[in-house]
Amino acid sequence: EAGVAQSPRYKIIEKRQSVAFWCNPISGHATLYWYQQILGQGPKLLIQFQNNGVVDDSQLPKDRFSAERLKGVDSTLKIQPAKLEDSAVYLCASTSGTGPYEQYFGPGTRLTVT
Amino acid sequence: KQEVTQIPAALSVPEGENLVLNCSFTDSAIYNLQWFRQDPGKGLTSLLLIQSSQREQTSGRLNASLDKSSGRSTLYIAASQPGDSATYLCAVSGDYKLSFGAGTTVTVRA
Repeated sequence: EAGVAQSPRYKIIEKRQSVAFWCNPISGHATLYWYQQILGQGPKLLIQFQNNGVVDDSQLPKDRFSAERLKGVDSTLKIQPAKLEDSAVYLCASTSGTGPYEQYFGPGTRLTVT
Repeated sequence: KQEVTQIPAALSVPEGENLVLNCSFTDSAIYNLQWFRQDPGKGLTSLLLIQSSQREQTSGRLNASLDKSSGRSTLYIAASQPGDSATYLCAVSGDYKLSFGAGTTVTVRA
């Protein structure tokens, strides 16, 4: 079974530029999550999708971050414009729609904003 | 709001010693608890998942316990090896969302 795929693995941009990350979850997983992990901290949930609908985006900075999950499969997370404090690893995870709801994570995208 | 704490933040042990990693959480109304391993520059690998109705889970040299009433979980790694060097993260699930601790970074010295 293929795992969660993410691209790119690394990205370096200047502040005020835009960037997009892509995630393809495990086949058949209805729920998809995007997390932000700042160095030395645990991951923080940004947004949760159930199929192609948003379940929770309460911690997504909506003035600069956006995310979509078209057709309920892969997803993109965009930052525009980027700030220095957005430097972090962006992790995508997925889980099936049935218990025990174990989350499986992708390798992450390391973003550096200069 | 769920708060998850992992102490200590870092741990260094000689090879062969047993590891004990602690996790505490403030809200006992959880669905499950997961322990993850994270290698530098990599994503998270799920090690063990304990459902709220369970007291412990075991996989090879790893054993995790859960005490919901006291808001604690412990991950035991027997006979540590240099390959066990990594950051270990604890996460609790409520409403299908995970709340993470900051992790314990383990170094096993050969």
